[in-house]
Amino acid sequence: AQSVTQPDIHITVSEGASLELRCNYSYGATPYLFWYVQSPGQGLQLLLKYFSGDTLVQGIKGFEAEFKRSQSSFNLRKPSVHWSDAAEYFCAVYDYKLSFGAGTTVTVRA
Amino acid sequence: GAVVSQHPSRVICKSGTSVKIECRSLDFQATTMFWYRQFPKKSLMLMATSNEGSKATYEQGVEKDKFLINHASLTLSTLTVTSAHPEDSSFYICSAELADNYNEQFFGPGTRLTVL
Repeated sequence: AQSVTQPDIHITVSEGASLELRCNYSYGATPYLFWYVQSPGQGLQLLLKYFSGDTLVQGIKGFEAEFKRSQSSFNLRKPSVHWSDAAEYFCAVYDYKLSFGAGTTVTVRA
Repeated sequence: GAVVSQHPSRVICKSGTSVKIECRSLDFQATTMFWYRQFPKKSLMLMATSNEGSKATYEQGVEKDKFLINHASLTLSTLTVTSAHPEDSSFYICSAELADNYNEQFFGPGTRLTVL
């Protein structure tokens, strides 16, 4: 069965600094991978997705992610964080249903 | 873009009563919808997969008689929490699958259920 691991429970980053959130997946075939963001008390918003093709994926809000098959990873990055990026971030893999990682809480300090 | 709504956004009910939560795909038809439950500071747990015109498929450990799911049309799925108890208090999120787009799911804003 597919699974997703997000090793970092909580990350604190200064505004303007870069951000990288880690995601490792376990899946036999080529995975469909997603990154979602959730603000407090809200639903999930899709940041970006990978199905095939170019392994560097651009998303909304200045986020990007790189699929590395050799490392079974799909890490999310943003070059310069804004205070509004403080939220919960979930990586997910699709195999007839979505399996989510445990999530990473991002705190942005001024 | 594809928009999914949920109603109500918040509901408070007494123990023993039933609560219905609606999930609608506003600008697309969804053959398949999903219901998730999220505990505080936790990930989303898939409860069931709802297919239009057929019975829902429940995940292991989810009581189908307690969490009734109906998917009567291509734009509406409902989750009814029957005989609610305080331990059913949670954040419930639905999603709708866009079948022609690599099965991408679009999520509703969630419903906060509090059972007193």
